[in-house]
Amino acid sequence: GNSVTQMEGPVTLSEEAFLTINCTYTATGYPSLFWYVQYPGEGLQLLLKATKADDKGSNKGFEATYRKETTSFHLEKGSVQVSDSAVYFCALSLDTGRRALTFGSGTRLQVQP
Amino acid sequence: KAGVTQTPRYLIKTRGQQVTLSCSPISGHRSVSWYQQTPGQGLQFLFEYFSETQRNKGNFPGRFSGRQFSNSRSEMNVSTLELGDSALYLCASSFSIPGALTGPNTEAFFGQGTRLTVV
Repeated sequence: GNSVTQMEGPVTLSEEAFLTINCTYTATGYPSLFWYVQYPGEGLQLLLKATKADDKGSNKGFEATYRKETTSFHLEKGSVQVSDSAVYFCALSLDTGRRALTFGSGTRLQVQP
Repeated sequence: KAGVTQTPRYLIKTRGQQVTLSCSPISGHRSVSWYQQTPGQGLQFLFEYFSETQRNKGNFPGRFSGRQFSNSRSEMNVSTLELGDSALYLCASSFSIPGALTGPNTEAFFGQGTRLTVV
């Protein structure tokens, strides 16, 4: 089956530190990959996506590159801010006519001033 | 423009009862998906509707059902509630048709969710 594995949290960083959240996937087909962010009390917001190998998704200073050879989609940001504190979810979707997202377990990021 | 609206935001029900949750998608969006979020199981796909038809269903028991109306609004129903059904239920809407992952307007927009507590 399809699955997404994320690094365990929480991840605690100081402001302006470099962030990496690891994400690897297993899929029976050729998935599209996503990072979603969930702020306290809110739903999910799409942060970035990539739909084919070697694509780089980017948004708000966050980046992730679709690595087919390592089945990975690691999230990075060069300098985190307190406002980045949230839960981050890696997800995949297979282009089979269905839009169901398979999510990882989420990684809580805490950024301290 | 207005986002995805889920009602109610919070709900407390007794074991054995049934519950109906509502989702109004963004205007013009015809695809609606539902997800269950729990601390133990994380985010799990329930079902997806497009043009009033269920297009995909996750691995949930038959107590979980849904429907979509002609105006794209969707409801999900859970019958014979169990304590384990306590969760945040999220609805997502999208403009594009199922399978159109690489075209424009394929992003899924999520609502704030309905927090269901079963006691």
